[in-house]
Amino acid sequence: AQSVTQLGSHVSVSEGALVLLRCNYSSSVPPYLFWYVQYPNQGLQLLLKYTSAATLVKGINGFEAEFKKSETSFHLTKPSAHMSDAAEYFCAVSLLLSGAGSYQLTFGKGTKLSVIP
Amino acid sequence: GAGVSQSPSNKVTEKGKDVELRCDPISGHTALYWYRQSLGQGLEFLIYFQGNSAPDKSGLPSDRFSAERTGGSVSTLTIQRTQQEDSAVYLCASSLGTDQETQYFGPGTRLLVL
Repeated sequence: AQSVTQLGSHVSVSEGALVLLRCNYSSSVPPYLFWYVQYPNQGLQLLLKYTSAATLVKGINGFEAEFKKSETSFHLTKPSAHMSDAAEYFCAVSLLLSGAGSYQLTFGKGTKLSVIP
Repeated sequence: GAGVSQSPSNKVTEKGKDVELRCDPISGHTALYWYRQSLGQGLEFLIYFQGNSAPDKSGLPSDRFSAERTGGSVSTLTIQRTQQEDSAVYLCASSLGTDQETQYFGPGTRLLVL
């Protein structure tokens, strides 16, 4: 079975400060890992993904995440927070489903990021 | 190109009524997924289609839920005899399919059962 744990349901940072959103996973096989962002009343938008290539993954909007197998972590960071980063962020791990080529995403509970001016 | 679209964007219904939610995936995407997002449960996987086939329906919460996909494109999620606990945002996603693990999400349908 696979699972995702996001530490902190709500994180507040000051504008310009470092953003760190934590994600730990459990998976019986090497995982694919994702971060999605959800703005209010919108769907999920892919920020970045890890698919067993480089362990440091760069995404959109200046975000990046580092896959650390020894720590089973995939934390999301951004050096300098912007007001527009305020949203909910979801970490997810994918599992290959029966029936070729389809994947089920298992999501963490989400972390709401607030950016203080 | 166009992304995943869902309709309606909002639906208010009375307890006991049936509802149909529609998803139009990205053109050419063979895999389609339904998820439910609710306050208490977070994001739950419901069902997926590879082409028109749904190999595993075990994620559907009850037998009141059903889904179909036709022509390898549009999918509908039907909830019969809706209950208040069905109130949630229903998200649809699609992916290219084989070895393409990235799922692209639609804006969701917000369902409120009174």
